[in-house]
Amino acid sequence: DAGVIQSPRHEVTEMGQEVTLRCKPISGHDYLFWYRQTMMRGLELLIYFNNNVPIDDSGMPEDRFSAKMPNASFSTLKIQPSEPRDSAVYFCASRRGQGGYYEQYFGPGTRLTVT
Amino acid sequence: SQQGEEDPQALSIQEGENATMNCSYKTSINNLQWYRQNSGRGLVHLILIRSNEREKHSGRLRVTLDTSKKSSSLLITASRAADTASYFCATDEGNTDKLIFGTGTRLQVFP
Repeated sequence: DAGVIQSPRHEVTEMGQEVTLRCKPISGHDYLFWYRQTMMRGLELLIYFNNNVPIDDSGMPEDRFSAKMPNASFSTLKIQPSEPRDSAVYFCASRRGQGGYYEQYFGPGTRLTVT
Repeated sequence: SQQGEEDPQALSIQEGENATMNCSYKTSINNLQWYRQNSGRGLVHLILIRSNEREKHSGRLRVTLDTSKKSSSLLITASRAADTASYFCATDEGNTDKLIFGTGTRLQVFP
């Protein structure tokens, strides 16, 4: 298995531009998580899906952020418009099984820089 | 923030020494996990301990859990330079599907 795949690995964009981050979870996993990591705030859960349905988006910072999961093998996180404070590493993770007994598999992350 | 706290924030040791990291959390849990993150990479699962367990071993890793103190520790024995990474605890606080990650401990092992 190729693991969780994220693209792009690096993204540099100007303030005000739309940014789309992509994630392909591990086949057969029914949970997908989006995290953001910064030095100041650590690792924050933004949103997670179960069987392609968004379950908890309470971590999404504001309306500029949106996430979709149109099918079991693909998810996107979109920021529109982007701001410099959105600069961070964004991770996607997937898991098979409900609850904290199951480990999460993380992708390599997308490093986003907004200038 | 729901994040747990980890202690110390940073730790530097020589190869061959043991490294101990601590994690505290806030509410009841069913499970606690430890993850490692190498620089520039995603997190990798190391070990899981259930709330009814007190200690667990996996290779050079030893994890303890004290639910009365809401704390856990990760011990890496006979450390190696390759153990250099950040280590995070994560809990399913509130019996949810979410994992709440701690602030992490940066471990540096010098050869």
